Amino acid sequence: GAVVSQHPSWVICKSGTSVKIECRSLDFQATTMFWYRQFPKQSLMLMATSNEGSKATYEQGVEKDKFLINHASLTLSTLTVTSAHPEDSSFYICSARAPGLNTEAFFGQGTRLTVV
Amino acid sequence: SQKIEQNSEALNIQEGKTATLTCNYTNYSPAYLQWYRQDPGRGPVFLLLIRENEKEKRKERLKVTFDTTLKQSLFHITASQPADSATYLCAPITGANSKLTFGKGITLSVRP
Repeated sequence: GAVVSQHPSWVICKSGTSVKIECRSLDFQATTMFWYRQFPKQSLMLMATSNEGSKATYEQGVEKDKFLINHASLTLSTLTVTSAHPEDSSFYICSARAPGLNTEAFFGQGTRLTVV
Repeated sequence: SQKIEQNSEALNIQEGKTATLTCNYTNYSPAYLQWYRQDPGRGPVFLLLIRENEKEKRKERLKVTFDTTLKQSLFHITASQPADSATYLCAPITGANSKLTFGKGITLSVRP
């Protein structure tokens, strides 16, 4: 099946710094990518939807200036957590979907972010 | 607002039995519905898709039904095995470019 690669798989950063997470679709063109956050034993919460070449659509309550999303090509989307704080520590997962109505989404391995 | 409800947070069953997981949705008119499996610390993996004009879909030991009148999908795992233990998520999809949101998921535990 199709592969979505997410990098890094884990990162520890100091409070106040920024962290960039990459999501790549390796063998298909992803017109739409989604970014999620998941706290321990909680459900996947959609943060934003990004379409290639246009601005991301953020879910209510998600700060677009804090979570910068760039979907510059059909195979790469990035999420930058700016000025990270301990409460941003979470599991971040991306997914990518190929064009079409009946297409499944492929998920990355996830990134465990710890802000100290 | 749109809501996805999965009937319980956890389901514990004996190996060999059939597990039935429920997904109810409100304020949606999905063109189709997807089911995913998530293991701890991993991203979800796609299992099955069922379209609004399909009543039932099967894949090996998995069966999904879709009732647009009841606004409900049922996900069945027959002859369950301990390896089926995971969290199962449903996602109603309204259109080609619609966002992909999930219910809370149901954590299935199959005991030997």
